Amino acid sequence: AQSVTQLGSHVSVSEGALVLLRCNYSSSVPPYLFWYVQYPNQGLQLLLKYTTGATLVKGINGFEAEFKKSETSFHLTKPSAHMSDAAEYFCAVSNTGGFKTIFGAGTRLFVKA
Amino acid sequence: DVKVTQSSRYLVKRTGEKVFLECVQDMDHENMFWYRQDPGLGLRLIYFSYDVKMKEKGDIPEGYSVSREKKERFSLILESASTNQTSMYLCASRGDGAGQPQHFGDGTRLSIL
Repeated sequence: AQSVTQLGSHVSVSEGALVLLRCNYSSSVPPYLFWYVQYPNQGLQLLLKYTTGATLVKGINGFEAEFKKSETSFHLTKPSAHMSDAAEYFCAVSNTGGFKTIFGAGTRLFVKA
Repeated sequence: DVKVTQSSRYLVKRTGEKVFLECVQDMDHENMFWYRQDPGLGLRLIYFSYDVKMKEKGDIPEGYSVSREKKERFSLILESASTNQTSMYLCASRGDGAGQPQHFGDGTRLSIL
């Protein structure tokens, strides 16, 4: 069975600091991995995804994530936080042939001035 | 750009009422999904549909039903609303293939009094 664990329900960083949001997954077959962002009173929108190929994936708004199969991780990073990055972030996993996408519980990012 | 439109942003209903939540997508996607989102629990799948008139139960289908009479429209029905169904409801659509991202509506915040 697939599962997703996001470490830390809340993360707080200062503006300009590194953002690191952690995601670990379990999957019996090669996974597809996603990061979504949700701003207040909105639905989720795709930040980036990993399907096959290069393990370092670049997304929108300066975010990137690295697929590490040996660690079953897909952590999200951004070198320098901006106030507009304050939102909730969801890691998700799906598999070939499956309809379901499994979402993590989410990590709320706070950015301090 | 994919557009997923949910008919209401906010809805207040009474216990025992039959409630309809409507979702329309404009990208001819085969797959559509209904989730509920609660703090600390992430997104939980209620029902999904992979074709017109086809539906499958998700992880928490009790108390809900769905209808998909046309490809672009997927309706969620609360047969007899209860207070524990107060939540944020998100609709999503997805093209063919598990590696495709889901596209979300802005959500309906439903309160059952």
